[in-house]
Amino acid sequence: TQLLEQSPQFLSIQEGENLTVYCNSSSVFSSLQWYRQEPGEGPVLLVTVVTGGEVKKLKRLTFQFGDARKDSSLHITAAQPGDTGLYLCAGAPGGNYQLIWGAGTKLIIKP
Amino acid sequence: DSGVTQTPKHLITATGQRVTLRCSPRSGDLSVYWYQQSLDQGLQFLIQYYNGEERAKGNILERFSAQQFPDLHSELNLSSLELGDSALYFCASSVDLGEQFFGPGTRLTVL
Repeated sequence: TQLLEQSPQFLSIQEGENLTVYCNSSSVFSSLQWYRQEPGEGPVLLVTVVTGGEVKKLKRLTFQFGDARKDSSLHITAAQPGDTGLYLCAGAPGGNYQLIWGAGTKLIIKP
Repeated sequence: DSGVTQTPKHLITATGQRVTLRCSPRSGDLSVYWYQQSLDQGLQFLIQYYNGEERAKGNILERFSAQQFPDLHSELNLSSLELGDSALYFCASSVDLGEQFFGPGTRLTVL
């Protein structure tokens, strides 16, 4: 069974700090997606990474796909209260297989 | 706005009852997914339909069923409801097995 482990499960930091959350697996994925979910709302796709070693930036958010395509990280620079939410990663095994979802990292940015 | 619509937004019912949740996918998307999210939990994949046919099943209870109609909208039927079925139910759509776009969810409360 393929699993995606996200860490940490919970993170509470002050505004202005930097942070990194991780998404790890022993399996290879053809692509990996990051979503952010705000309380009571549906997840919103942030980015998809496809190539091993790929780095994508979305303003203060930097996403990296591991060289072996088994893991990914999300780094936030100078976090803001608006970054608060549940961050979910989802890996696509390829073929006709379903997305594998991580359990999420709950992030709280205190003003 | 993801383009995915779900109705109703809130639903309050009693144990033992049956409810139907409705989802309309983004224009052009053939795949519809249903997820359950309990309080402060990650997403639990329930079922996927592609162009009217069931494609994949996740952790869906026998009391739950779904279908996708010729116009591609989908319904999730939950019967013999229990207190533990209280959760947010999300529908997502995608072109195929790619990036998923989520609706706003239906919050089900079973009393």
